[in-house]
Amino acid sequence: DTEVTQTPKHLVMGMTNKKSLKCEQHMGHRAMYWYKQKAKKPPELMFVYSYEKLSINESVPSRFSPECPNSSLLNLHLHALQPEDSALYLCASSQDWTGSGNTIYFGEGSWLTVV
Amino acid sequence: ELKVEQNPLFLSMQEGKNYTIYCNYSTTSDRLYWYRQDPGKSLESLFVLLSNGAVKQEGRLMASLDTKARLSTLHITAAVHDLSATYFCAVDIKRDDKIIFGKGTRLHILP
Repeated sequence: DTEVTQTPKHLVMGMTNKKSLKCEQHMGHRAMYWYKQKAKKPPELMFVYSYEKLSINESVPSRFSPECPNSSLLNLHLHALQPEDSALYLCASSQDWTGSGNTIYFGEGSWLTVV
Repeated sequence: ELKVEQNPLFLSMQEGKNYTIYCNYSTTSDRLYWYRQDPGKSLESLFVLLSNGAVKQEGRLMASLDTKARLSTLHITAAVHDLSATYFCAVDIKRDDKIIFGKGTRLHILP
């Protein structure tokens, strides 16, 4: 099983709403990531969790709040978003950094539209 | 700061032709990745390259890595329409736990 599962696939939310994106993997990976991708642009790193601890926050606005409840799950809580936050949000995972040849597996993404 | 540059950013080519996409990066890296992305889809892992001189091949695609030149290439042999997609290289620095993507190469193969 090399799947990273993201839900929901599509989300439309208002600027005053609170919603969450969810990501799950059962490959025993200990590094998990959130990326944001705008149309025709490369993915941009938002957060990295390593062994369930926030390792990197790429100066992401506080209206995005990540959470890693356990080694298999990664959430992204959304609150008071702006229309420019509309994008594809990609979750990814990989083995811990002591291994070699770590492939990073991406989920199918969650398409977010803020209205 | 790590910078990853791909070229060309857009490539239109005829079926049956060969071409190469280049990926340059600015600092020492532990590994380099190539991904494919179809419109409206997520990223599909193609290759992970770990060491200088590494070469990997899958079907009509072959990737190589020259860590001294900080350059990776993705070579397409006898292109077919199904290879039309956007191809990203991505580079990581182990100590930073970061993976940075190039801007992507949009490949359009004409039948």
